Amino acid sequence: GQSLEQPSEVTAVEGAIVQINCTYQTSGFYGLSWYQQHDGGAPTFLSYNALDGLEETGRFSSFLSRSDSYGYLLLQELQMKDSASYFCAVKSATNKLIFGTGTLLAVQP
Amino acid sequence: DTAVSQTPKYLVTQMGNDKSIKCEQNLGHDTMYWYKQDSKKFLKIMFSYNNKELIINETVPNRFSPKSPDKAHLNLHINSLELGDSAVYFCASSQQGEFSYEQYFGPGTRLTVT
Repeated sequence: GQSLEQPSEVTAVEGAIVQINCTYQTSGFYGLSWYQQHDGGAPTFLSYNALDGLEETGRFSSFLSRSDSYGYLLLQELQMKDSASYFCAVKSATNKLIFGTGTLLAVQP
Repeated sequence: DTAVSQTPKYLVTQMGNDKSIKCEQNLGHDTMYWYKQDSKKFLKIMFSYNNKELIINETVPNRFSPKSPDKAHLNLHINSLELGDSAVYFCASSQQGEFSYEQYFGPGTRLTVT
């Protein structure tokens, strides 16, 4: 089977750093994407890791360890507008994205 | 300029009816997708087209039929609607093949079947 597991909810305060983990078990792996979705909105692409290591894009960074079937999204200097759901997604051999269960991030003042 | 647009945004209909959702992208992408997001926010791919050709067809009831008249448009027709079809349906597009990790989503169509 194919599964991507994420924590269902994470809470943090403004200005803090938060890490959202993703562990995956899929038949065929070609990379890990991260998407953000605000309530009532559409998913928007944040980052992608095809190789092991850290990718940095502004306040957001994403990490991948293929040997551990594990990745995480790191959000720094949290802002209220970062309150949203975050999804990891595995890119499979057939070029489709298999999405994780999603993590609801609540940023508190 | 809207990159990926869908119509309608909301759709309320009764069981047994037939309805369609339309999607258009102006990004010049070759690949388009339909996703279903349920009430638990689980996002699952239904179909994918590459340059008008169906390339992904997940285990979806055959009441759902996608159609791509050209590579900028992908429509979804649903026959004999059921209560379980209530969900948000997202259209998305991407460059083809290896670039499919970065998809651009439309605003979604919230379908409610009563």
